[in-house]
Amino acid sequence: DAGITQSPRYKITETGRQVTLMCHQTWSHSYMFWYRQDLGHGLRLIYYSAAADITDKGEVPDGYVVSRSKTENFPLTLESATRSQTSVYFCASSERWETQYFGPGTRLLVL
Amino acid sequence: AQSVTQLGSHVSVSEGALVLLRCNYSSSVPPYLFWYVQYPNQGLQLLLKYTTGATLVKGINGFEAEFKKSETSFHLTKPSAHMSDAAEYFCAVSEAGRRALTFGSGTRLQVQP
Repeated sequence: DAGITQSPRYKITETGRQVTLMCHQTWSHSYMFWYRQDLGHGLRLIYYSAAADITDKGEVPDGYVVSRSKTENFPLTLESATRSQTSVYFCASSERWETQYFGPGTRLLVL
Repeated sequence: AQSVTQLGSHVSVSEGALVLLRCNYSSSVPPYLFWYVQYPNQGLQLLLKYTTGATLVKGINGFEAEFKKSETSFHLTKPSAHMSDAAEYFCAVSEAGRRALTFGSGTRLQVQP
């Protein structure tokens, strides 16, 4: 089906482990984004990508790594998970800059 | 730097009553403004947006918002609330020409029968 998907939808991990969250879009949008959603903070931008092999930091990039070898995929890796990274993570994509399309989110719990 | 303030983390209205969700922004350049809605356990969906032109913009599900530059506001309204409007609403701003959005902290709308 066309759209933007995220996997896994739910993840429990332990402090210090590496975790990768996947994001896949079928529209061939140029731009992709990763946000985290925390109570009282709304959504905060972690990283974004303007095209394959082009990425840039957002507001809260520390502790995260991204890559974009293919236009349709934009994985987010937590190199060594911490409890403060417990959050809901949303991926989004856009072609026209003013409209971003969001995935369903990944709920991550770091114990 | 741009920022967004949403007044009221929770708003409760009766079914059929007016919905008013408040959003104020700050931006050093002309802003582009957005309202997104999030239903439980789902991603965000664009309700409406203001870029240029008419300051009163209409969106989906009967919502509308008015850009008031003098008040740096972009409040969201709906004349008559429906039970299905219960959700969390986010206001967002981006500076013209930039794709990064800055979101407010959200307002949870409850609709009482």
